[in-house]
Amino acid sequence: DAGITQSPRHKVTETGTPVTLRCHQTENHRYMYWYRQDPGHGLRLIHYSYGVKDTDKGEVSDGYSVSRSKTEDFLLTLESATSSQTSVYFCATGNTGELFFGEGSRLTVL
Amino acid sequence: QQQVKQSPQSLIVQKGGISIINCAYENTAFDYFPWYQQFPGKGPALLIAIRPDVSEKKEGRFTISFNKSAKQFSLHIMDSQPGDSATYFCAASGNFGNEKLTFGTGTRLTIIP
Repeated sequence: DAGITQSPRHKVTETGTPVTLRCHQTENHRYMYWYRQDPGHGLRLIHYSYGVKDTDKGEVSDGYSVSRSKTEDFLLTLESATSSQTSVYFCATGNTGELFFGEGSRLTVL
Repeated sequence: QQQVKQSPQSLIVQKGGISIINCAYENTAFDYFPWYQQFPGKGPALLIAIRPDVSEKKEGRFTISFNKSAKQFSLHIMDSQPGDSATYFCAASGNFGNEKLTFGTGTRLTIIP
């Protein structure tokens, strides 16, 4: 299995608080992605990175920001969490073609 | 806008039967079509993928059928087993997989004894 670690795996927070999810990879993959998975919507891309400090928006980027200061780490930040951001968040990495996914971070915003 | 439409949303198949999941795409620039399998509590993992230069690709009990003119592709699972119970996602991208993947909405497959 590709070495992709997400933390935390579970988090409960309150509306309006900031939240940061971390993705760490040991595969030296160039590309890293953050997806959210919701029933009926499948996997939707939030943000992605194509290199250190190079990031771009996906289809559901509002309310989220990302940073990538090292090849191995990709952070997803919710500046002020809302109940609509309750979801399971997946990090994925790859070079071309195949994506490798982490095990997900379940976030509940009360 | 949904560029990859997947159906059905859920599917129940008896053990030993054939499971069929369908996807349709709109963007004619797509040229890489993978299927991902996800077990509960885990992240998705690549199952099988096809490029449009062939109409079918088979790996064990799993087959992708591809119809370029109709812009459709499907996953067939032969001799379905309880261990195949999972959520399946189709996806598509351009530039032979070098562009971002667009995923379908997923199909929850349940194989009953």
